[in-house]
Amino acid sequence: AQSVTQPDIHITVSEGASLELRCNYSYGATPYLFWYVQSPGQGLQLLLKYFSGDTLVQGIKGFEAEFKRSQSSFNLRKPSVHWSDAAEYFCAVGAGFSGGYNKLIFGAGTRLAVHP
Amino acid sequence: SQTIHQWPATLVQPVGSPLSLECTVEGTSNPNLYWYRQAAGRGLQLLFYSVGIGQISSEVPQNLSASRPQDRQFILSSKKLLLSDSGFYLCAWSETGGRGDTQYFGPGTRLTVL
Repeated sequence: AQSVTQPDIHITVSEGASLELRCNYSYGATPYLFWYVQSPGQGLQLLLKYFSGDTLVQGIKGFEAEFKRSQSSFNLRKPSVHWSDAAEYFCAVGAGFSGGYNKLIFGAGTRLAVHP
Repeated sequence: SQTIHQWPATLVQPVGSPLSLECTVEGTSNPNLYWYRQAAGRGLQLLFYSVGIGQISSEVPQNLSASRPQDRQFILSSKKLLLSDSGFYLCAWSETGGRGDTQYFGPGTRLTVL
């Protein structure tokens, strides 16, 4: 069955430090992968997505993610974290097109805290 | 550009009362529409999706229902709220198409049932 695992529930980094959020997926075919960010009390905003081609994907707000098929991973990175990056981050996989829509399977999320 | 609206932003309701949450999308036609629930400290659970007017599919059995009276309007309802209905409700839309569909989310409604 399709699934997404985000191993880290909480991560704390210092402002200016680099960041890597882990995401592992289970999917039989070529996955369509997404990262979303959710600020407290807000909806989800799309950071980036991978469908095909270059395995290093650039997104908004200085984020990037690398698709590694051999490791079934799609980790999110940022070279220098800003205090405004404190939020919850969700990884998702497009689990297949059926019934007219693309079902997304979400991970449980990683909550990022940023220390000044 | 497309925008998605949800209201109300917050709602406090007593157990047993009815519920109506509304979602509208602007700037697109015939979108797929979705209702998700996010319980405290948990991930997102897809409740309903719709691929067209009057076409509603439910992902999980529950106390809630959904309707799509117009192309870009999606409503989440309940006749009698339960305590377990508390949570953060998110509406999303996507273009109709294949596996590459990207879902875009609204700002959400925080529902507290007392």
